[in-house]
Amino acid sequence: LAKTTQPISMDSYEGQEVNITCSHNNIATNDYITWYQQFPSQGPRFIIQGYKTKVTNEVASLFIPADRKSSTLSLPRVSLSDTAVYYCLVGDNSNAGNMLTFGGGTRLMVKP
Amino acid sequence: SAVISQKPSRDICQRGTSLTIQCQVDSQVTMMFWYRQQPGQSLTLIATANQGSEATYESGFVIDKFPISRPNLTFSTLTVSNMSPEDSSIYLCSGGQGANTEAFFGQGTRLTVV
Repeated sequence: LAKTTQPISMDSYEGQEVNITCSHNNIATNDYITWYQQFPSQGPRFIIQGYKTKVTNEVASLFIPADRKSSTLSLPRVSLSDTAVYYCLVGDNSNAGNMLTFGGGTRLMVKP
Repeated sequence: SAVISQKPSRDICQRGTSLTIQCQVDSQVTMMFWYRQQPGQSLTLIATANQGSEATYESGFVIDKFPISRPNLTFSTLTVSNMSPEDSSIYLCSGGQGANTEAFFGQGTRLTVV
């Protein structure tokens, strides 16, 4: 089971780009990288998923280097409403629980 | 996408009693999971709810304490049995299609055991 390491917390200001990096040194060949966002008193919400290189959707971008031992979630022009905990998950579907094992997460605080 | 509803949203229970949490999905999902989350902490996977068979429990969680049912592809229950104050937590249900697709989460059930 690939273990993930993220910064415990980050601060940013409205309008800035935020990059949150996750380390997963023992990622396996079949593992995907998935990011979730969680607001207080809510369940986590899927943000983005990728296997290699770069993935972009309407919310964020995910950058994965060639060795796949880390990944970076990029949030463009954050707003106060982006204040949340962001979780990086690594796993594959061969073991369902493996796919959804949450690490410590990064608590992002966006300031005005 | 899928919408997941959990009931109850919160409860206060006496120690020694049991509480059953219901999880309803608005569409069929291949996989369903149950998590526990202490305030301010990350999620801990309790078990994978398997349709028509016994749930698959993670280390540290046992069926006698957390019996799980999954009678069909849209519904599951988690029972917290013989509760103690240490069981006070937020319990979350999740569902998804697997195959490296996104998972959807309920709003959680905030349980307080007194």
